[in-house]
Amino acid sequence: AQSVSQHNHHVILSEAASLELGCNYSYGGTVNLFWYVQYPGQHLQLLLKYFSGDPLVKGIKGFEAEFIKSKFSFNLRKPSVQWSDTAEYFCAAAIYNQGGKLIFGQGTELSVKP
Amino acid sequence: DVKVTQSSRYLVKRTGEKVFLECVQDMDHENMFWYRQDPGLGLRLIYFSYDVKMKEKGDIPEGYSVSREKKERFSLILESASTNQTSMYLCASSLVGQGGSAEAFFGQGTRLTVV
Repeated sequence: AQSVSQHNHHVILSEAASLELGCNYSYGGTVNLFWYVQYPGQHLQLLLKYFSGDPLVKGIKGFEAEFIKSKFSFNLRKPSVQWSDTAEYFCAAAIYNQGGKLIFGQGTELSVKP
Repeated sequence: DVKVTQSSRYLVKRTGEKVFLECVQDMDHENMFWYRQDPGLGLRLIYFSYDVKMKEKGDIPEGYSVSREKKERFSLILESASTNQTSMYLCASSLVGQGGSAEAFFGQGTRLTVV
C-alpha cells in the first residue's frame, strides 16, 4: 500500500536556526506532493505543492521543498525559523489516477524557542 | 475563498449511538475526504469520494460509512460509536488536478468524544 513517512516526530530549534523536515513516499509512479501546516488551534493550510517541472518549489512564509525522485523524497526546508513557525507540519501525496486519493504522513511537531 | 464547513466543533456521544458528522463545501470540488487525526499518527484517511454517490475506502474504514447524495455535502456515519473512535475528524475537499488531487482545503474539524 502507498504510504508517506515523516521520520522526525518532534523537532526543537532556536530562532534563526535552519530547518529541514524529512518526507518519503512509497510509490513508484507519478505523484503530486504537498506540505501542509497546522498552527495551534487552526485548520490545516497549504504551504507548498509539487506537481511537475522544477523540483525545487517555493511556498509561503519562506518555506521551500525539493523533490528528489530517485530518493522518493520531498523534504521541507527553511533557512531561518521564527517563533511563529511553531506548528505541526504534514507531508502528503496524491497518487496519479487513483481518483484523487490523498494520503498524509504522521506529522512533525516543530517547536521554536525564542 | 474556499470554505469547508463541518457542522459541529465538539460532540459528545454515548457508546453504541449512531453518529452523523456533516461536511459542506462551497467550491464545486469533485473530491471530498474524511480523515481522523490522532497524536503521533497524523491524518489517516477513512473514506473519500470523487463524485456524487461514489466512494472509496481509505486506510481505516472499519466502523464507518459515508454518504454523498449531493456534490457539496459529504457525511461520515459512525454506525455504533465506540470509545476508540474518540478523535478529531477532519473533512477536506479538492479539485481533481493532473490525474490526481489538487490541493485540499480543510474544515476546522470536529472533536468527537465517545463516552
